[in-house]
Amino acid sequence: GNSVTQMEGPVTLSEEAFLTINCTYTATGYPSLFWYVQYPGEGLQLLLKATKADDKGSNKGFEATYRKETTSFHLEKGSVQVSDSAVYFCASQNSGGYQKVTFGIGTKLQVIP
Amino acid sequence: DAGVIQSPRHEVTEMGQEVTLRCKPISGHDYLFWYRQTMMRGLELLIYFNNNVPIDDSGMPEDRFSAKMPNASFSTLKIQPSEPRDSAVYFCASSRQGYETQYFGPGTRLLVL
Repeated sequence: GNSVTQMEGPVTLSEEAFLTINCTYTATGYPSLFWYVQYPGEGLQLLLKATKADDKGSNKGFEATYRKETTSFHLEKGSVQVSDSAVYFCASQNSGGYQKVTFGIGTKLQVIP
Repeated sequence: DAGVIQSPRHEVTEMGQEVTLRCKPISGHDYLFWYRQTMMRGLELLIYFNNNVPIDDSGMPEDRFSAKMPNASFSTLKIQPSEPRDSAVYFCASSRQGYETQYFGPGTRLLVL
C-alpha cells in the first residue's frame, strides 16, 4: 500500500520566515498528492493538490511541486504569518474510482511574531 | 453552503457507557468517511460508505464499534461499551465521488474516563 512520510514537528518560525515542510511518498502507480491544513479545534481542510508529475499546487501563498524522480511533494511558503500556525498533513491517493487517502503524521507549525 | 456537521463537539463519558457520534454530510456527496485521530496513531480511516452502504469497515478497531448510515443525510458512529483507549478526536468527512476532495467536519473530541 501507499505510505507518506513527513518531517516531524513542531516547526517554530518567526513571522515572515521561509517555510519548508518535507514530504515523500511511496505508491504503486502515480497517485494524486495533497496538503491538508488543520487549524486549532477544526477539521482538516484541503490546502492544495497536484494530480500528476511536475504539477504545482498553490493556494494562499503555499506551493508544492509533484516530483516523481524524488517521490516528493514538499510544502513551501515564502513568508509565513502568525495565522499560518496549524498542523499540516501530506497525503496521497491512487487514481481510479475510490482509493483510500493515506495521510502523513502531520507537522505542527508555530509562527511567532 | 453548510459544511459537514458533527455533534456533539465534545463528549466526556465514563468507561462502559455507550457513546453515539453523529454526522451530517454535505448534500449531494455520495461518500462518507469516519476517521479517528490520536497522537500515537495519527489519522486512521475507520469505515466509509458509498450511497449509504458500508463498503469497507476494516479500520474499525473491534466489535465495540459500529456505524450506520440510514439515509443520505445522516450517519452515526457508536461505541458500546466505551473504554479509555477510545479517547480521541473522531472526524466525519464526505466527498462527491470517491476520487474527489474529502471535506472534513470539525470533529468530536471524545474523552472516556
